[in-house]
Amino acid sequence: EVQLVQSGAEVKKPGESLKISCKGSGYSFTSYWIGWVRQMPGKGLEWMGIIYPGDSDTRYSPSFQGQVTISADKSISTAYLQWSSLKASDTAMYYCARRGNDEVYDYFDYWGQGTLVTVSS
Amino acid sequence: EIVLTQSPGTLSLSPGERATLSCRASQSVSSSYLAWYQQKPGQAPRLLIYGASSRATGIPDRFSGSGSGTDFTLTISRLEPEDFAVYYCQQYGSSRFTFGPGTKVDIK
Repeated sequence: EVQLVQSGAEVKKPGESLKISCKGSGYSFTSYWIGWVRQMPGKGLEWMGIIYPGDSDTRYSPSFQGQVTISADKSISTAYLQWSSLKASDTAMYYCARRGNDEVYDYFDYWGQGTLVTVSS
Repeated sequence: EIVLTQSPGTLSLSPGERATLSCRASQSVSSSYLAWYQQKPGQAPRLLIYGASSRATGIPDRFSGSGSGTDFTLTISRLEPEDFAVYYCQQYGSSRFTFGPGTKVDIK
């Protein structure tokens, strides 16, 4: 069974750093891209970026380039999303999602349960 | 960047009724790269439709997708109580993914 299990909720202060994780299981982790999606409170879905754990090829949405860092450790089948200096506006639910491995179609077929990040002084 | 617009913002219907949700793109989108997701409160999104019209694994056949170019539609033929949720369209193009703002289907 394919599963993406994300790390638990975080409460941080502005200016602090944070790294959240997404562990894949039940499939070949290195063969599928993993994407990150932000959902601010009461709002819609925003694509942040994507990584291919097989070679760490990473792409960012222009809206998030320079604001976050996406990485992966294929030895432990885990992808990461990190911030060096959090802002209150980073308060949101963050989802990881597996990009389908399909030569014709493009979609996110499995999603993590989400990690709620709260940034408040 | 391709912008997706969804309408209506909210659709108020009764169980058993038909729901028609629209997704319009600011420029032409490959049908292969158009997907629909369902999100219920407190849950992660779930893939419903990919390739504009193909149902994902385990999705009931009351859900169907259609369209091409800049206009796409998600239809729920007869609403079940568990279908009241928010629905997002999503596209991939120019090495970017974008989501529409969502349509909320609520109980009338």
